[in-house]
Amino acid sequence: EDKVVQSPLSLVVHEGDTVTLNCSYEVTNFRSLLWYKQEKKAPTFLFMLTSSGIEKKSGRLSSILDKKELFSILNITATQTGDSAVYLCAVVTSGTYKYIFGTGTRLKVLA
Amino acid sequence: SAVISQKPSRDICQRGTSLTIQCQVDSQVTMMFWYRQQPGQSLTLIATANQGSEATYESGFVIDKFPISRPNLTFSTLTVSNMSPEDSSIYLCSVEGGQGGYEQYFGPGTRLTVT
Repeated sequence: EDKVVQSPLSLVVHEGDTVTLNCSYEVTNFRSLLWYKQEKKAPTFLFMLTSSGIEKKSGRLSSILDKKELFSILNITATQTGDSAVYLCAVVTSGTYKYIFGTGTRLKVLA
Repeated sequence: SAVISQKPSRDICQRGTSLTIQCQVDSQVTMMFWYRQQPGQSLTLIATANQGSEATYESGFVIDKFPISRPNLTFSTLTVSNMSPEDSSIYLCSVEGGQGGYEQYFGPGTRLTVT
């Protein structure tokens, strides 16, 4: 059965800290991996990763994929209270063309 | 990215009743997706709706409980039928887009509470 597992489930840090969120997956016919930030209801898109070893970066956020070890990490440097959210990882499979979401990591950044 | 709106944004309903959620996209899209997110849980795909064909339901979801309409390329509805408290969730519609084609963009969601 296809699955996506995120760790840790929750995390509390102070402003200025750096955090690393993990996403591991076991799927057949991997196509791409996506990261989302969910603050209230709607997840907002952060990154899409399809190739191993190529870092995607946007401001203080960066992400990389390892297709050999079947995981991805999302780094957030110099965290701010506005980074507090649930971060979701999703894997897209080809063939049956499914999006499989992980359970998310709830990040709380304290001032 | 597509701009997606959903109505209603929230509702409180009595058990045994039905609610229809509308999803409107500002551009034509082939596929629209409906997700459910129960409290404290991740997103679970309910069904994929293609215009002009029957929706494809995921395991555990059936058309009688979650009928979907897709009358054109910018609009879809999801009905939650014969509701029970277990149906209390956030319901989200989404579409694909972006340069890679596989990025999903989500509507603002509908928070449903069944009493």
